[in-house]
Amino acid sequence: EAQVTQNPRYLITVTGKKLTVTCSQNMNHEYMSWYRQDPGLGLRQIYYSMNVEVTDKGDVPEGYKVSRKEKRNFPLILESPSPNQTSLYFCASSRLAGVPSQYFGPGTRLLVL
Amino acid sequence: KQEVTQIPAALSVPEGENLVLNCSFTDSAIYNLQWFRQDPGKGLTSLLLIQSSQREQTSGRLNASLDKSSGRSTLYIAASQPGDSATYLCAVPQGGSEKLVFGKGTKLTVNP
Repeated sequence: EAQVTQNPRYLITVTGKKLTVTCSQNMNHEYMSWYRQDPGLGLRQIYYSMNVEVTDKGDVPEGYKVSRKEKRNFPLILESPSPNQTSLYFCASSRLAGVPSQYFGPGTRLLVL
Repeated sequence: KQEVTQIPAALSVPEGENLVLNCSFTDSAIYNLQWFRQDPGKGLTSLLLIQSSQREQTSGRLNASLDKSSGRSTLYIAASQPGDSATYLCAVPQGGSEKLVFGKGTKLTVNP
């Protein structure tokens, strides 16, 4: 089954404690990205990657890091989480050729205390 | 910078009604538009993708239209059912990139 998986699905942490949210896709997609969703602000892109070892900032990259060492994986790293990073996070992937319909993961709900 | 607006923000209808959700975007130089469905606490499910060369796409009871020149898209849902209750989001690429710019969604409630 074609899918994007994220782990963990729910996470409660404290300010300053480094964490990583994993994202993996099994569709051999070149493009992957991270979004955060906040009430009243909608979905905003954090980082994206066009292919292995190619990453770039989205609209709200501050406080986040990413890496793309393998095509299927695109982890999101919060080196020193702060309460304003409490949000619902989505990973997405798509092909770059043909019909670029984006597939989304189930989301990770993060609470930073 | 691309901006996407969805009206109305919320809609409540009785079961069986046909309904239209609206999406407008400011930059008409798009190569596609995508409609998603989001259930509470869940991820986004792609419903329909319309290429810029197309005027509409259909999937079951859903029909999406695209008018690039006016910067508008509509999602038509026929014979609505309680299971259609969800938030519907439209999204367009920013410029020539893969990055999607989302509207804030229309929360649909279909009452039995």
